[in-house]
Amino acid sequence: AQKITQTQPGMFVQEKEAVTLDCTYDTSDPSYGLFWYKQPSSGEMIFLIYQGSYDQQNATEGRYSLNFQKARKSANLVISASQLGDSAMYFCAIPADGGSQGNLIFGKGTKLSVKP
Amino acid sequence: DTGVSQDPRHKITKRGQNVTFRCDPISEHNRLYWYRQTLGQGPEFLTYFQNEAQLEKSRLLSDRFSAERPKGSFSTLEIQRTEQGDSAMYLCASSSGQGWEEQYFGPGTRLTVT
Repeated sequence: AQKITQTQPGMFVQEKEAVTLDCTYDTSDPSYGLFWYKQPSSGEMIFLIYQGSYDQQNATEGRYSLNFQKARKSANLVISASQLGDSAMYFCAIPADGGSQGNLIFGKGTKLSVKP
Repeated sequence: DTGVSQDPRHKITKRGQNVTFRCDPISEHNRLYWYRQTLGQGPEFLTYFQNEAQLEKSRLLSDRFSAERPKGSFSTLEIQRTEQGDSAMYLCASSSGQGWEEQYFGPGTRLTVT
């Protein structure tokens, strides 16, 4: 069964600095995708970035990038130049069956606080 | 451009009452998902639809829970005989159903059972 582990319940970062949020996963599927979502205090889940297991290059989306290490089953999110608005919960997720058919399995999340 | 909408945003009910939530997905999306999120946890899958067909249900979805998507557009999630343990945020998401694409989430319905 798929599993996501996020070992950092909370993280602090100074505004304008970079921060790395950890995510490890467990899957027996040969191909899969990894997703990161942001959840501000308002509650809505906002998609940030995606990486397919066969993608050769690490994904980047603006200030977000993935440090994807397939052999270590690790997909850490890097946020560069942190902003106050980045303060939120961050969740890593993997499809439940490794394929495209259904639901996502989420980790417990990391609460990021950006200090001015 | 309209995203996923959910109604109501908040619901307070007494134990034993029935409640129904509605989700309107992004119009061209044929997949619709329901998740439940309790405090300090990530969302947990409840069920999902491909058009009007309910393709999968989680073990979390007891027989007090029922979901429908009658015309393949909006969906409803009903909880009968609510219990205090049902208090949670109920999230709806939709996707186009093409490969590994992201799911777009609504703002959620926060249920409090007193």
